[in-house]
Amino acid sequence: KQEVTQIPAALSVPEGENLVLNCSFTDSAIYNLQWFRQDPGKGLTSLLLIQSSQREQTSGRLNASLDKSSGRSTLYIAASQPGDSATYLCAATYSGGGADGLTFGKGTHLIIQP
Amino acid sequence: EAGVTQSPTHLIKTRGQQVTLRCSPISGHTSVYWYQQALGLGLQFLLWYDEGEERNRGNFPPRFSGRQFPNYSSELNVNALELEDSALYLCASSLAGRVYSPLHFGNGTRLTVT
Repeated sequence: KQEVTQIPAALSVPEGENLVLNCSFTDSAIYNLQWFRQDPGKGLTSLLLIQSSQREQTSGRLNASLDKSSGRSTLYIAASQPGDSATYLCAATYSGGGADGLTFGKGTHLIIQP
Repeated sequence: EAGVTQSPTHLIKTRGQQVTLRCSPISGHTSVYWYQQALGLGLQFLLWYDEGEERNRGNFPPRFSGRQFPNYSSELNVNALELEDSALYLCASSLAGRVYSPLHFGNGTRLTVT
């Protein structure tokens, strides 16, 4: 069964810190991995998409890496700000499973303390 | 560019009733996905439509159904509502050949079944 796991489930850090969110997936046969942000009661905002052939993607203060061999992806947030507080979800598209859409982790609830 | 739009934003129904949720994808996107986000359960894949056809469905009973119109907008219908159907229903769209393009989500419809 294809599963995506995110650790930790919740994280609280002071403003200004750099932080890493972790995502692991059970099957290395993925097409891509996508990181999303979800604010309370809202939909998901796509942050970064990494294709299976890529090792990382960067957007502003965000950097996402992908290591298929170890089944891991990380989202690095530099110089965190209170506005970064949200739930961060990773989701994998599996080879042959793309028709099911994405397999989501349950997310990391991030709080940045001012 | 207008994002994915969903209507209504909130809905309250009673057990046994029927409900229809609507989604308009981003212009140019032909694929529409529906997800259920129930409290504590994470995002669960419901349905995928592309070019007017249902391409796949998740592990949900037949009372969950939908369709996609020629303009690529979509409806999700839920019959015989049960209390556990209370959730945030999210619609997402993507370009055809979604494996290489990110999913874009709407803000969802919050359904409460009493």
